[in-house]
Amino acid sequence: GENVEQHPSTLSVQEGDSAVIKCTYSDSASNYFPWYKQELGKRPQLIIDIRSNVGEKKDQRIAVTLNKTAKHFSLHITETQPEDSAVYFCAASSASKIIFGSGTRLSIRP
Amino acid sequence: DTGVSQNPRHKITKRGQNVTFRCDPISEHNRLYWYRQTLGQGPEFLTYFQNEAQLEKSRLLSDRFSAERPKGSFSTLEIQRTEQGDSAMYLCASTLSLLGEQFFGPGTRLTVL
Repeated sequence: GENVEQHPSTLSVQEGDSAVIKCTYSDSASNYFPWYKQELGKRPQLIIDIRSNVGEKKDQRIAVTLNKTAKHFSLHITETQPEDSAVYFCAASSASKIIFGSGTRLSIRP
Repeated sequence: DTGVSQNPRHKITKRGQNVTFRCDPISEHNRLYWYRQTLGQGPEFLTYFQNEAQLEKSRLLSDRFSAERPKGSFSTLEIQRTEQGDSAMYLCASTLSLLGEQFFGPGTRLTVL
């Protein structure tokens, strides 16, 4: 069946450094790739998304890249801050179904 | 609060009992999703509605699970004959467009004893 693999499962970076999270997907029909941030005890919230007709998208300190040929996409956070600490989920969507990755717990060291 | 709401927020039940959860989506959103999330995992897709029509259902969803959205507004998720493995956070999300941001509710945490 369709699945989304996400790596790493945990990531610790020094404040101010960059963080990169990578995902691969199996369903070649996937054409929408959102990233959600979930803080402890809270609901997931969208931070950035990309559609299959675009290779890269940036929003301030956050950027996402997509390689449809290789079926992988990545989240890049630059100049990390303490408030970036959370669990991040990638997802791949096709038609009416969306499959989430297993999450990356990002910790920012002061 | 005009966001997605879910009730109850917590449910503790004994194995074998039936439980029902409710989700109220953002009013103009015609698409509604149900997910299950366990500790350390991403949301697992359960089912999806467009208006009142249930268009997709996960193959992993046992026949003990049923969902309805009778008038295309709120939705209910029922679990019959609950098992300890059903313990999880059940999330609801709604969206306006097919490929767009999903707005999640706060979830219902189910504990099956």
